[in-house]
Amino acid sequence: QSVVTQPPSASGTPGQRVTISCSGSSSNIGSNYVYWYQHLPGTAPKLLIYRNNQRPSGVPDRFSGSKSGTSASLAISGLRSDDEADYYCAVWDFSLNGPVFGGGTKLTVL
Amino acid sequence: QVQLQESGPGLVKPSQTLSLTCTVSGGSINDSTYYWTWIRRPAGKGLEWIGRIYNSGRTKYNPSLQSRLTISVDTSKNQFSLNLDSVTAADTAVYYCARDFVRDTNRFDPWGQGTMVTVAS
Repeated sequence: QSVVTQPPSASGTPGQRVTISCSGSSSNIGSNYVYWYQHLPGTAPKLLIYRNNQRPSGVPDRFSGSKSGTSASLAISGLRSDDEADYYCAVWDFSLNGPVFGGGTKLTVL
Repeated sequence: QVQLQESGPGLVKPSQTLSLTCTVSGGSINDSTYYWTWIRRPAGKGLEWIGRIYNSGRTKYNPSLQSRLTISVDTSKNQFSLNLDSVTAADTAVYYCARDFVRDTNRFDPWGQGTMVTVAS
C-alpha cells in the first residue's frame, strides 16, 4: 500500500479529456515536486511531467500536470487510443527519505 | 542520446542472490549531474523504487530492502549493478535501471527496457 494514492482505473473516449489524481500528504506531495510516468507493459516507462507541470521535449502538450496542496493531477486532452497505458505519479517522501510511486492508474480508451 | 540496458539471469532460486547489471551508453556514468537508479515492477503491482548510486559510490536504498541490497558502480565499464540477497517469490518482478537527476530527483529519464526476473526453484 503506497503512501501516495491513485485511482486504480480511469477511462475515456477518443477526443475526450481525462484526469488522473494523485493524493498524498504534507510529507510528500505537500512539500515536493510531483512527476508523472506513462508505462505500456513490455516497454520502458516514459517521463511525461516533471516538477509538477513541466513537459520534457517530445511530450505533446495534450499532457499537463498540476498540483494543489497535498494532491496532484495529470490531465490528458484529445484522448487517443495509444494513450491506453498505466500512469504513475512519483514524489519524494520525507518520512521514508526516498522516492515513492503511486499505485498506478490503468487508463482505458473506450 | 543516453541509453540504458539491463542484463542478468532471468531465473533465480529462492534464498539465492539476484544480480543485475545496467550498461550505460551514449553518456558517461561519471557525469556528476546524475544518480543511477534501480526500480522494479512486481507482477500485478505498481512501480517500486529500489535504490540509487552516485559515481562516487555513494548509495541510497529503499528502507524495506536495505538489509538485503547492495548497489555498486564500475566507472571503467560505464556500468552499475544490483545485488539482492536472500530472494523470495515476492522479489519476482521486472527490474528497470534509470537515470535520475541530482538537482531534480525523481526525474527518472531515460529508463532501460527492463528485465524480467523470476524467483522459483
